[in-house]
Amino acid sequence: KAGVTQTPRYLIKTRGQQVTLSCSPISGHRSVSWYQQTPGQGLQFLFEYFSETQRNKGNFPGRFSGRQFSNSRSEMNVSTLELGDSALYLCASSLGTADGYTFGSGTRLTVV
Amino acid sequence: SQELEQSPQSLIVQEGKNLTINCTSSKTLYGLYWYKQKYGEGLIFLMMLQKGGEEKSHEKITAKLDEKKQQSSLHITASQPSHAGIYLCGAVNAGNMLTFGGGTRLMVKP
Repeated sequence: KAGVTQTPRYLIKTRGQQVTLSCSPISGHRSVSWYQQTPGQGLQFLFEYFSETQRNKGNFPGRFSGRQFSNSRSEMNVSTLELGDSALYLCASSLGTADGYTFGSGTRLTVV
Repeated sequence: SQELEQSPQSLIVQEGKNLTINCTSSKTLYGLYWYKQKYGEGLIFLMMLQKGGEEKSHEKITAKLDEKKQQSSLHITASQPSHAGIYLCGAVNAGNMLTFGGGTRLMVKP
């Protein structure tokens, strides 16, 4: 079966711009989580969506937002980009915690 | 919030040697996940442990969960260059959030 698909794989943006990243979960998975990974901070939890509702949120500023559609696909948006937002953004989908989380290949965002 | 500390942060071993990576939680573990990551890529699921004392193996990798110590260990037997990468432990807290430790970077010298 198809895995978790993240698009685009690479992205270069300018400071002050906004960006939207997409994540298509495994068919049947209703939970989608987003993570930011940087060399300095490691893998940090952004938010989790389940059945179109945000269920959990990490400690990130309001410039980071997300949403989930009725088909479970999810998008995250970062507004007013800063250099420090350069990172690998990963999403993971799950049926439930007992079933584990499957990760996508990530989107590498570079802010210049 | 739940914090996971991994040790060591990095490890260089000679091919064929055994190694152990540890993951210690600041709070009770409800479930512990081990993932492997190649640089710049997504995480590959290795194993999930849920019960105290549970031990699972896959090929040459064995993971154990010591619930009383809020600790898990990942052991690789007879390491190979294909084992190189970053190993991450993750845990689900009471709020159903999956968070990760800082990772252990493993290099295997041929």
